[in-house]
Amino acid sequence: EAQVTQNPRYLITVTGKKLTVTCSQNMNHEYMSWYRQDPGLGLRQIYYSMNVEVTDKGDVPEGYKVSRKEKRNFPLILESPSPNQTSLYFCASSLGYNGKLFFGSGTQLSVL
Amino acid sequence: KQEVTQIPAALSVPEGENLVLNCSFTDSAIYNLQWFRQDPGKGLTSLLLIQSSQREQTSGRLNASLDKSSGRSTLYIAASQPGDSATYLCAANQAGTALIFGKGTTLSVSS
Repeated sequence: EAQVTQNPRYLITVTGKKLTVTCSQNMNHEYMSWYRQDPGLGLRQIYYSMNVEVTDKGDVPEGYKVSRKEKRNFPLILESPSPNQTSLYFCASSLGYNGKLFFGSGTQLSVL
Repeated sequence: KQEVTQIPAALSVPEGENLVLNCSFTDSAIYNLQWFRQDPGKGLTSLLLIQSSQREQTSGRLNASLDKSSGRSTLYIAASQPGDSATYLCAANQAGTALIFGKGTTLSVSS
């Protein structure tokens, strides 16, 4: 089944403890991206990747890192999480930059 | 900077009614515009993708139109059903910038 898989689904952590949210797609998509969704602010793009080893900042990249070493994987890294990064995170992929986007099921992160 | 607005924020209709959801954007230099559906606690599902060269796209009871000159897109839902209840989001895809989402319209269809 074609899908975008995020893990974990829920995560509670403490300020400053490094964490990684994984994202994997099995559709051989070139384009992958990360978003956060907050009440009243909607969905905002954090980072995106046009292809392997090519990443670029979205609207709200501060406090996040990404890497794209393989086509299928695009992990989101929070080196030193802070409470303002408590949010619902989504990973998405598409065949190309202007293609139909497929979303993962989301990761609910709480930073205490 | 691109801004995407969706009005109304919430809409309640009885089953069977035809309805229109609106999406406006400030910069017409877009690659495409996508409409998504989001159910509570779930991810987004792409409904329709309209490329900048297209005027409309249809899928079943859904029809989306795009008017770049006026900065508007509409999502038409025919013969609404309770299963259509969800939040509908539009997103503008623009070269060299992040994908910009509207804040969504939450639709409730009562039986």
